Amino acid sequence: DQQVKQNSPSLSVQEGRISILNCDYTNSMFDYFLWYKKYPAEGPTFLISISSIKDKNEDGRFTVFLNKSAKHLSLHIVPSQPGDSAVYFCAASARVRGSTLGRLYFGRGTQLTVWP
Amino acid sequence: NAGVTQTPKFRVLKTGQSMTLLCAQDMNHEYMYWYRQDPGMGLRLIHYSVGEGTTAKGEVPDGYNVSRLKKQNFLLGLESAAPSQTSVYFCASRRRVAPSGSYEQYFGPGTRLTVT
Repeated sequence: DQQVKQNSPSLSVQEGRISILNCDYTNSMFDYFLWYKKYPAEGPTFLISISSIKDKNEDGRFTVFLNKSAKHLSLHIVPSQPGDSAVYFCAASARVRGSTLGRLYFGRGTQLTVWP
Repeated sequence: NAGVTQTPKFRVLKTGQSMTLLCAQDMNHEYMYWYRQDPGMGLRLIHYSVGEGTTAKGEVPDGYNVSRLKKQNFLLGLESAAPSQTSVYFCASRRRVAPSGSYEQYFGPGTRLTVT
């Protein structure tokens, strides 16, 4: 059973506009969330993260919003650029002691295409 | 710093053959992970290690074994390869405690394995 869900396999956005990628989770123990970007034939690279004590984290063009009551987070990219075209993975972690310490649970990814 | 490196980049095996994938990191990270990525499935955790000499099972451990004899290396073994193990394998590492409070994992470039 997937604990982190990305329900949109793909998203297409025009250059300069906003891209919004969504992610839902089911496990209420998750308290740390990350977004990774992946280009073809490369490993995922870390993009931005957010702790459950915050509801927003911003880094340049990238902003992650967390709605704990809805168990939902989103990644906003403004303005979108063609180089942002990649697969974006949402991931979650429960930072508690135990066998799952440090383990990330990944969504299935969303392919973002930014066209000129 | 090379970061996380993986050897080999590509491999084709016949059913029943064995092989070892090597992961090396030069960041002195305590935690290391092996994932597999299949189309439409995101990244799934195979095994992980929280320190030299220790390993633990992840989400999909069957058919794989691992060893962590040195802190910088994490080996993934397939004793008798099956076509269902055709996948892209990613290694990742992470600090045990992150001074910045950010717990991202750093990924290698991946190994593309085909089992015929």
